[in-house]
Amino acid sequence: AAGVIQSPRHLIKEKRETATLKCYPIPRHDTVYWYQQGPGQDPQFLISFYEKMQSDKGSIPDRFSAQQFSDYHSELNMSSLELGDSALYFCASSLGGTSGTYEQYFGPGTRLTVT
Amino acid sequence: DAKTTQPTSMDCAEGRAANLPCNHSTISGNEYVYWYRQIHSQGPQYIIHGLKNNETNEMASLIITEDRKSSTLILPHATLRDTAVYYCIVRVLKGWYALNFGKGTSLLVTP
Repeated sequence: AAGVIQSPRHLIKEKRETATLKCYPIPRHDTVYWYQQGPGQDPQFLISFYEKMQSDKGSIPDRFSAQQFSDYHSELNMSSLELGDSALYFCASSLGGTSGTYEQYFGPGTRLTVT
Repeated sequence: DAKTTQPTSMDCAEGRAANLPCNHSTISGNEYVYWYRQIHSQGPQYIIHGLKNNETNEMASLIITEDRKSSTLILPHATLRDTAVYYCIVRVLKGWYALNFGKGTSLLVTP
């Protein structure tokens, strides 16, 4: 079965640079979520989109922005990178709306290292 | 979402049942209990969820107490590949809402 695809899998950036992470949800899934997991920490919710509209927002820094496109893929844009942004970034997808049971399926993650 | 409390760590012998408890004493009537797990540095994986009845699927069973204040995830025949952090999450059944991963249980399955 098709899974959530994230690219790139690994990314190394320097401080103050920008990064763009991409997420391709499971076909027919209309909701995308972004989570950040720092070293030794639990995943923390950043932001989600349902039908291309922001649906929920967590502790996402102002330096980060995201959007969902017409084909339902999503991109997380990160600017002015800081050392503390080094983390695993997971994307998840689910069926939203009024159908389904909303379990989220996670991608393999993008490991971002800021030097 | 209601707060959950899980043991920090547990051990289980391979082939035996792993019983992972979760307390959620402030759960509301419309909140479900979800279980996810994360194998080292992989994306979290959905396991099972339920409202008040016991649930079973190909991965696990979920037992929820009658007062719904606690639940137990059961892996009937644990294997080494079940070594992971297990998260009990309480949330309403609605689309697009975040999962709040608290401090899960680190399960170590030993040979």
